[in-house]
Amino acid sequence: QKEVEQNSGPLSVPEGAIASLNCTYSDRGSQSFFWYRQYSGKSPELIMFIYSNGDKEDGRFTAQLNKASQYVSLLIRDSQPSDSATYLCAVNSEAGGFKTIFGAGTRLFVKA
Amino acid sequence: DTEVTQTPKHLVMGMTNKKSLKCEQHMGHRAMYWYKQKAKKPPELMFVYSYEKLSINESVPSRFSPECPNSSLLNLHLHALQPEDSALYLCASSLRQADYGYTFGSGTRLTVV
Repeated sequence: QKEVEQNSGPLSVPEGAIASLNCTYSDRGSQSFFWYRQYSGKSPELIMFIYSNGDKEDGRFTAQLNKASQYVSLLIRDSQPSDSATYLCAVNSEAGGFKTIFGAGTRLFVKA
Repeated sequence: DTEVTQTPKHLVMGMTNKKSLKCEQHMGHRAMYWYKQKAKKPPELMFVYSYEKLSINESVPSRFSPECPNSSLLNLHLHALQPEDSALYLCASSLRQADYGYTFGSGTRLTVV
């Protein structure tokens, strides 16, 4: 069974700090990597995707990918209380027929 | 239009009832998905349709029956469900199967009594 692992948290950071969320995956053949944000009682929302090694920045969000280490991370700069949510790491894999496998999610709390 | 619309938003059904969940998108996406999500758990894949054909069935019990009438619509027919089937049912779509990330609908909160 191909797996995506995340620290369930909760991760608590003060307002204005950098929140760092981490994810590891087991399928070395994975090609596409995604971060979704899910507020309590709502559906997931895609916030970042990354395909190549290195960093990808979008506003306050930076996704980092290291395929050799099978590691994906999401940095949130200048964290705001409205960033408090569960962040799901998702990985696409050709194994088993082009599936997207979700990690269990990391709960983030940003304290005002 | 950048939305996936799911109806109904809430559904309570008895174990002998038959009901259907509906999902619609007009973004030209050719892959559509049903996921089940229990509280504090990640979404769990149920079915994948790619170009209106069933691509993946994750060994879901036959009391769940998917249908894709056309490229914009996806249904999930429910029959003889169990209380443990109570969950948030999420529809999602993407440009192609397992590509470019998903757009999720707001979900149907299902309670089986």
